[in-house]
Amino acid sequence: AQSVTQPDIHITVSEGASLELRCNYSYGATPYLFWYVQSPGQGLQLLLKYFSGDTLVQGIKGFEAEFKRSQSSFNLRKPSVHWSDAAEYFCAVRPLEYGNKLVFGAGTILRVKS
Amino acid sequence: DAMVIQNPRYQVTQFGKPVTLSCSQTLNHNVMYWYQQKSSQAPKLLFHYYDKDFNNEADTPDNFQSRRPNTSFCFLDIRSPGLGDAAMYLCATSRDNGQSTFGSGTRLTVV
Repeated sequence: AQSVTQPDIHITVSEGASLELRCNYSYGATPYLFWYVQSPGQGLQLLLKYFSGDTLVQGIKGFEAEFKRSQSSFNLRKPSVHWSDAAEYFCAVRPLEYGNKLVFGAGTILRVKS
Repeated sequence: DAMVIQNPRYQVTQFGKPVTLSCSQTLNHNVMYWYQQKSSQAPKLLFHYYDKDFNNEADTPDNFQSRRPNTSFCFLDIRSPGLGDAAMYLCATSRDNGQSTFGSGTRLTVV
C-alpha cells in the first residue's frame, strides 16, 4: 500500500547530541517531500522541502535532510540538538498523482534531555 | 507578514450545537485545506479547495461542511458536533506544489 512511514514514535536525545529522524515512503514516482515541526498546541511549521536537484537540502533551525531514491527515504538530521527542538516532527509527501494533497507520516515525538 | 490566521484559537461548543471555525490568508494561495488532528496523531485531511473547486475526502463525515466565499477566507462548519469531534482543526494553504503554510489551529472542545 502507498504510505509514509516514520518508524520511531518517540526519540530521546541529549542536548548537544546529533539527531536523525527517519522517513520512508512508498510511491512509484518520487513525490515532493517535506518535513514539518509542531510544538504542543500549535500549527505545523515547514522545516525543509525537496522537489528535485541536490539531494541534501538545508532547512531552518539548523536542520537538513537527505533524499535517497534507492531507499525511498528522506531522513531529517541535526548535528547538535537544542532543548528548544523538543516537539513532534512530521514527514509529509505530495505524491505526484495526488494533486495538491499531502500524505503525512504518523509523526515522531522528540524529547531532549539535559 | 503573510500568514494563515485561524479564529478562534479555542472554541467550546455544546453537543449538537452548530459551530463555525474560520481561516483567513494573506498569501494569495489558490489552495486551502482543513485538517482534523487528534491527540498524538497526524493531521487528517477533511477537504480542500482548489480555487473555488471543492474536494471532499471520501471518509469525511457529512457533519462537516466548508465554504470558501473568496480567495482569502475559508470556513469549517460542523453541523451537529459530537464528543468525537473534539480535536485541533488546522487550516493550511498552498500553491500548486503542495508546500503548505499552516495556521496555529483551533482547539475545539465539545461539552
